[in-house]
Amino acid sequence: LAKTTQPISMDSYEGQEVNITCSHNNIATNDYITWYQQFPSQGPRFIIQGYKTKVTNEVASLFIPADRKSSTLSLPRVSLSDTAVYYCLVGPDTGRRALTFGSGTRLQVQP
Amino acid sequence: DVKVTQSSRYLVKRTGEKVFLECVQDMDHENMFWYRQDPGLGLRLIYFSYDVKMKEKGDIPEGYSVSREKKERFSLILESASTNQTSMYLCASSLYSRGSPLHFGNGTRLTVT
Repeated sequence: LAKTTQPISMDSYEGQEVNITCSHNNIATNDYITWYQQFPSQGPRFIIQGYKTKVTNEVASLFIPADRKSSTLSLPRVSLSDTAVYYCLVGPDTGRRALTFGSGTRLQVQP
Repeated sequence: DVKVTQSSRYLVKRTGEKVFLECVQDMDHENMFWYRQDPGLGLRLIYFSYDVKMKEKGDIPEGYSVSREKKERFSLILESASTNQTSMYLCASSLYSRGSPLHFGNGTRLTVT
């Protein structure tokens, strides 16, 4: 399974753009990159997923360089409610392959 | 919208008791997973299942077993609860297809005294 490395924590202020980078040097050809958000006392929630280049949805953007050895989650204009732990996962998420979570990045947004 | 429901939000059990944690999903997902989450350790996979009556060990299966008799239901069993199994337990489900994201329940906080 591809191992991921993320910063343990990040701090930001309301209205700023936040970029969280995840390293996954041994990503396999058929692996997707998926990001989840988790608030205290809740299960993780799917944010965005990509395979290569750039993906954007109403919540975030995901940038994946050509070599796919890293990815960057971009949260535009964060608010206090974006304070959470963000997990980067790499894997095919199908059949017998199960996904292993890393420790995640704890994002603290200040007013 | 996918709904993954865990039967209990909070549970307190005594050491040595047999404990059942139940999880039900309503979207006909093939895959189901049990994770535990502890401070500083993130989410760790206990068991997963990709079909009825099928199961695979995750990273930390010791002290646990699972049951999947129906597609929508996945049970985690602590055969003889111990204090080191005090944790937050999270159930998730996903489609079998490649790239399908995980959908999580809100967790069961189990305390073993």
